[in-house]
Amino acid sequence: KAGVTQTPRYLIKTRGQQVTLSCSPISGHRSVSWYQQTPGQGLQFLFEYFSETQRNKGNFPGRFSGRQFSNSRSEMNVSTLELGDSALYLCASSSGGGADGEAFFGQGTRLTVV
Amino acid sequence: AQTVTQSQPEMSVQEAETVTLSCTYDTSESNYYLFWYKQPPSRQMILVIRQEAYKQQNATENRFSVNFQKAAKSFSLKISDSQLGDTAMYFCAFMTGSGGSNYKLTFGKGTLLTVNP
Repeated sequence: KAGVTQTPRYLIKTRGQQVTLSCSPISGHRSVSWYQQTPGQGLQFLFEYFSETQRNKGNFPGRFSGRQFSNSRSEMNVSTLELGDSALYLCASSSGGGADGEAFFGQGTRLTVV
Repeated sequence: AQTVTQSQPEMSVQEAETVTLSCTYDTSESNYYLFWYKQPPSRQMILVIRQEAYKQQNATENRFSVNFQKAAKSFSLKISDSQLGDTAMYFCAFMTGSGGSNYKLTFGKGTLLTVNP
């Protein structure tokens, strides 16, 4: 069974640009969550999607957005990039979200904003 | 809002020895779940162990066990017979059990564990 796949693995962008990150969950999983990991703030929750609906959102500015497709694949978009957006972005998938199903993480996308 | 505190930024242990990582949390919820995740240099987060707050029995997974003290809001991880492959960042995490709109993990800042040969 394939794991959670995040693409691309590494990305370098310039301030002011926008970026789209992709996450393909484990087959059959309908919940996808996104987290931002930085040395200063640690791991912070961005948002969670289930069956194409956003169920929960963290405290991030509106520049951070996401969506989920009918095949459960998810994308997150960051517009007008700032230097502080440089981080490892992790995606996690689970069968139904919540604590009933284990969350499986991808290897992340390392975003560097210059 | 829930908070998770890991007071040990770094720890080290000799191979084959036992080490305990500390975690405290703050919540007003009565139904919740606690987790320990491991993040090796590959950066992939791996679930080590989970504990349901309504269960009094401490969870155990092979060499990993927890000491869950609900009244003290403490959730420590004990690693027995430490192995070189246990070297990683360990994160304590909390999830409310309310369901509905709370499908998120709140993480502590992590403890970097180094197992020395």
